[in-house]
Amino acid sequence: QKEVEQDPGPLSVPEGAIVSLNCTYSNSAFQYFMWYRQYSRKGPELLMYTYSSGNKEDGRFTAQVDKSSKYISLFIRDSQPSDSATYLCAMHSGGYQKVTFGTGTKLQVIP
Amino acid sequence: SQTIHQWPATLVQPVGSPLSLECTVEGTSNPNLYWYRQAAGRGLQLLFYSVGIGQISSEVPQNLSASRPQDRQFILSSKKLLLSDSGFYLCAWSLGPVMNTEAFFGQGTRLTVV
Repeated sequence: QKEVEQDPGPLSVPEGAIVSLNCTYSNSAFQYFMWYRQYSRKGPELLMYTYSSGNKEDGRFTAQVDKSSKYISLFIRDSQPSDSATYLCAMHSGGYQKVTFGTGTKLQVIP
Repeated sequence: SQTIHQWPATLVQPVGSPLSLECTVEGTSNPNLYWYRQAAGRGLQLLFYSVGIGQISSEVPQNLSASRPQDRQFILSSKKLLLSDSGFYLCAWSLGPVMNTEAFFGQGTRLTVV
């Protein structure tokens, strides 16, 4: 079993839709959770960074962590064509600075 | 502000040839440095990380090596490339201590071994 599982998609949604991207993980030691956005042929860029359980909002993006279920989500409201990219979840336990990434979900927002 | 430079952006190399990819970070001191490889459907695979000059940890035994000759320079090398070394290579940095360990990535090098 992989430490982090993420549906590769692709996920196609119409412009303006609410998008839900998810990851599950098996390592209960993970405490720091991140979402990266990666455009084609580019390096990933950090979108959201959260610690422990709860929600964090930044503009149209909301990151949600449920440590009891080992499940994290990224919600995108009012999705735009410019949101079309691959979204990678990432997490680590903090004590050892190795980040474990999901395989990424490819999102396409149709105008 | 901190920036990370990685080059070249694309590279086509014959099997058996050597490889040297370079990464430098500006605007910070004593960063943790990482080399990742990204393959379709496999996500980001950590290859090497370094917490200081001359300190290299290898995550996956393979045909590659890494060196950190200066605080903000990280080099990925191979003496003889294999076809299986093709992929998208990403350099990244992060800062200790533990509470601030999100990683920032370079733009990547797409390596094709032919």
